[in-house]
Amino acid sequence: DGGITQSPKYLFRKEGQNVTLSCEQNLNHDAMYWYRQDPGQGLRLIYYSQIVNDFQKGDIAEGYSVSREKKESFPLTVTSAQKNPTAFYLCATQRGGFETQYFGPGTRLLVL
Amino acid sequence: DAKTTQPPSMDCAEGRAANLPCNHSTISGNEYVYWYRQIHSQGPQYIIHGLKNNETNEMASLIITEDRKSSTLILPHATLRDTAVYYCIVRVQGSSNTGKLIFGQGTTLQVKP
Repeated sequence: DGGITQSPKYLFRKEGQNVTLSCEQNLNHDAMYWYRQDPGQGLRLIYYSQIVNDFQKGDIAEGYSVSREKKESFPLTVTSAQKNPTAFYLCATQRGGFETQYFGPGTRLLVL
Repeated sequence: DAKTTQPPSMDCAEGRAANLPCNHSTISGNEYVYWYRQIHSQGPQYIIHGLKNNETNEMASLIITEDRKSSTLILPHATLRDTAVYYCIVRVQGSSNTGKLIFGQGTTLQVKP
């Protein structure tokens, strides 16, 4: 939403390949989140970070990795260990104190 | 698991008010009611939230019952662009949890001309 950008909009992964999804924000929000959405399903939390240089596993972290070296950026890597990566990936940010969470436009990952 | 119950689908005529109900009978005293919507292939969009009192903003109104066990999101003059899946979420604010949002199945609102 507005100050949250995700790129690319569509991403294709080959078998055994790692791919990285970008999430950038200019809202000066402390917390950032990665969710995965499968067709007709709700969102599931992959990883989250409440402060720079710190992040925590969510409910479905296996096969994914993240980093939070800058406040503005929270990239998600989908590794070859993730056997079913096809999904819609959503990044969200939150100012802190568990205030309203805002979402980016999403990246759709497809496996070739 | 989602702590809310919503009808799977609703229709509304363009220009009329859309009233989307949500049951949250197990809501705790410190849990807020949030509404988001998701238009196909886009990220969820925040609409409104509230604790006890009714709330209104430029997008919608939120009516919460006195016992807080249910709420209604009102889109006063629905347009075709309001066609989306609407999610009602209860969420603790200000505590040391993950902050994650738990999305249920939501209500698919179809606005018809």
